[in-house]
Amino acid sequence: SAVISQKPSRDICQRGTSLTIQCQVDSQVTMMFWYRQQPGQSLTLIATANQGSEATYESGFVIDKFPISRPNLTFSTLTVSNMSPEDSSIYLCSVVQGPYYEQYFGPGTRLTVT
Amino acid sequence: SQQGEEDPQALSIQEGENATMNCSYKTSINNLQWYRQNSGRGLVHLILIRSNEREKHSGRLRVTLDTSKKSSSLLITASRAADTASYFCATDAGAGGTSYGKLTFGQGTILTVHP
Repeated sequence: SAVISQKPSRDICQRGTSLTIQCQVDSQVTMMFWYRQQPGQSLTLIATANQGSEATYESGFVIDKFPISRPNLTFSTLTVSNMSPEDSSIYLCSVVQGPYYEQYFGPGTRLTVT
Repeated sequence: SQQGEEDPQALSIQEGENATMNCSYKTSINNLQWYRQNSGRGLVHLILIRSNEREKHSGRLRVTLDTSKKSSSLLITASRAADTASYFCATDAGAGGTSYGKLTFGQGTILTVHP
């Protein structure tokens, strides 16, 4: 399976600021996704990061709040903009590989907004 | 809306016992995947079962899928303290092409295995 890394692994940020999270994969992948896991909760899909075009956002998530870039098939960034304490979560990127669409996750970025 | 529901929400057992977790979902699926998460860290992929499969094994793991009941179960045999973690099911309802890969997660089961 692909090896996925994320930077930073954790951060504490002030309300009103923005944080960009990087996701790097060790092989080219077509499908890459971003998920959020709020404290004590399960994972929710934020968006599909499309290479060469705008990301596709799920209901409840908008580009102004969570802009995503996907400049190539091994890298993506997620920005959490104008943060509030409600944005405190673990953010995870994932990729799909194999003929049956197995999905693998990065180690996550733990964000705390104060 | 949340696709998956898991039960139990928490399970506490002794080392050596078997642990069974259940997952239910609401719509037709392409596949169902099980993950383990230790202490809020990244997710570890355990097993994928396709909609046309009924049972799969991987080491001490056994997964079943009943599409008529829209449910799946994960059995961990001869559990170890190191199996202590949260376990999530996730369904992929993709109908083809780029619609695959959008996972909907269950609420998870917290498993505690006592030495």
